[in-house]
Amino acid sequence: DIQMTQSPSSLSASVGDRVTITCRASQDISKYLAWFQQKPGKAPKSLIYAASSLQSGVPSKFSGSGSGTDFTLTISSLQPEDFATYYCQHYNSYPLTFGPGTKVDIK
Amino acid sequence: EVQLVESGGGLVQPGGSLKLSCVASGFTFSDSAVHWVRQASGKGLEWVGRIRTKANSYGTTYAASVKGRFTISRDDSKNTAYLQMNSLKTEDTALYYCTRHDWNEDWGQGTLVTVSS
Repeated sequence: DIQMTQSPSSLSASVGDRVTITCRASQDISKYLAWFQQKPGKAPKSLIYAASSLQSGVPSKFSGSGSGTDFTLTISSLQPEDFATYYCQHYNSYPLTFGPGTKVDIK
Repeated sequence: EVQLVESGGGLVQPGGSLKLSCVASGFTFSDSAVHWVRQASGKGLEWVGRIRTKANSYGTTYAASVKGRFTISRDDSKNTAYLQMNSLKTEDTALYYCTRHDWNEDWGQGTLVTVSS
């Protein structure tokens, strides 16, 4: 099985900050990588698929990059509604696996 | 608008069974693979399994943790997917979501399954 890791596990940031979250796969997954945002008590929301493609309706302050084993999610200017937990997930093969999550909270 | 609505969760004793449903709307259900993902309280996301389309012979794949106990099926005439859960364990306690596509593009609101005596 492909293992997904994320760093950091949590971070504190201020409104307006640029935030970068890293996701690493235990083996080459090409660009089969998705990112999700989850707020407390809510279902996850898809942000990005194919490593860098923005889902319809997702603001352009979110961007993704990477291929192979190393990926990043960047939020260009953090806003109050962006404080949440972010997960990566590969879909290169089965079983699909998620990263452990990165919690972004207010500094 | 794409909608996925899960139902069927509840309290069940260890060793018991439960069948979850996922009703879809807003897209061509018969053309989409359906996945189930679960999340224990305060924990991360765990993929449970998926069912492919008729064109792909309704192929199913499961996580090792549920293989042999859980079965995913679908009824395209009802735009509904199912998750039959047998031999339930306390560690199966979680919020269960249905999603579509391998990249889990759309999610339902989830249905809570509690396995406890």
